[in-house]
Amino acid sequence: RKEVEQDPGPFNVPEGATVAFNCTYSNSASQSFFWYRQDCRKEPKLLMSVYSSGNEDGRFTAQLNRASQYISLLIRDSKLSDSATYLCVVNPVNTGFQKLVFGTGTRLLVSP
Amino acid sequence: DAGVIQSPRHEVTEMGQEVTLRCKPISGHDYLFWYRQTMMRGLELLIYFNNNVPIDDSGMPEDRFSAKMPNASFSTLKIQPSEPRDSAVYFCASSLDPGAANTEAFFGQGTRLTVV
Repeated sequence: RKEVEQDPGPFNVPEGATVAFNCTYSNSASQSFFWYRQDCRKEPKLLMSVYSSGNEDGRFTAQLNRASQYISLLIRDSKLSDSATYLCVVNPVNTGFQKLVFGTGTRLLVSP
Repeated sequence: DAGVIQSPRHEVTEMGQEVTLRCKPISGHDYLFWYRQTMMRGLELLIYFNNNVPIDDSGMPEDRFSAKMPNASFSTLKIQPSEPRDSAVYFCASSLDPGAANTEAFFGQGTRLTVV
């Protein structure tokens, strides 16, 4: 089983729609979770961290479900500029050091 | 700071040749990561360093791959000999504490490697 799994998509949605992505992780001891965004032919960039209590940043909401070992990203009122690949990132516990394991990404296409 | 700097941006080489990718992390960052990205496998962690020391190289595909970090401001990823299946985008990233909330791992622009 992969450490981090995501539905590759693509998710095709119209402007203004609400879209949600899920991501599952295999290591139940994982402590830190993030969503990164990657535009076509660009490097990944941090979108937001994911906190245990859930957190919101404008139109973006991230949630963590430890019991089921998944994290989610909700995007409300989608914009054309939201079109990108969204990467789920997990930091599995590793002997006191930290590493970042990426999912393969979910592609979002927002159309007019 | 100019961010994470990788060179070259593009590399085309013939099968069997040695390839060296270079990375300059952000000053003060004590973690450095090398990733490889392909359409089929996504972003794979190859190796990462903490304070110039390799911590986990379990993602390095085989002995043809090696990575070094001789000092805090420079790292290399070497492939010898290269094969067509090594064709991918190779990213270097650096971070303070990648496990801490709101601590971002900054990526370089990547090296697009094509082995023919």
